[in-house]
Amino acid sequence: GAVVSQHPSWVICKSGTSVKIECRSLDFQATTMFWYRQFPKQSLMLMATSNEGSKATYEQGVEKDKFLINHASLTLSTLTVTSAHPEDSSFYICSARDRGITYEQYFGPGTRLTVT
Amino acid sequence: AQTVTQSQPEMSVQEAETVTLSCTYDTSENNYYLFWYKQPPSRQMILVIRQEAYKQQNATENRFSVNFQKAAKSFSLKISDSQLGDTAMYFCAFMNNNAGNMLTFGGGTRLMVKP
Repeated sequence: GAVVSQHPSWVICKSGTSVKIECRSLDFQATTMFWYRQFPKQSLMLMATSNEGSKATYEQGVEKDKFLINHASLTLSTLTVTSAHPEDSSFYICSARDRGITYEQYFGPGTRLTVT
Repeated sequence: AQTVTQSQPEMSVQEAETVTLSCTYDTSENNYYLFWYKQPPSRQMILVIRQEAYKQQNATENRFSVNFQKAAKSFSLKISDSQLGDTAMYFCAFMNNNAGNMLTFGGGTRLMVKP
């Protein structure tokens, strides 16, 4: 149980285009989902917290108009990178919190984004 | 704000031996959780072990155990009988129960288990 999927696992896009990454909780309801960014050989940095049915809360320094987050249902959150630049190339990881277990976060397998 | 520090960027251990990874944290909170996560080359984050701050007893999961020193704000991970599959990045993480259950990660320790 407690499986989180991400799609796509790897995406290449051109500068100036937008790309959407999906995060799904497959066997539980996730009232909260988290989006992280991880550069090579570095740690995970929290970008934003996504609550079902409400606006996402962004961490300081993260542009909310560039990284659009939508959490429309209890099993799906999406991250859209708009007007992508090469510096947006990174590994994006989502995690989801089971509504009944507040201390546990279940991580997706990550999405590698390459902007050319 | 909480900070988590892992002072060992890289470590290596011989197969079947024991290794300890260090982690310290800074917080003024009293109600929190601490975690160790493993990130193998696949980059999938895997929970290794969890410790509730209110519990004095150190958590143990098979070959993995922690040394939780609350007063010293230290949370080290001991891996016994190291296996080749333990080769990975290990992240220490802090969760404040009173702040939206966000995880704050340390910088990570790259562990190499040598045959």
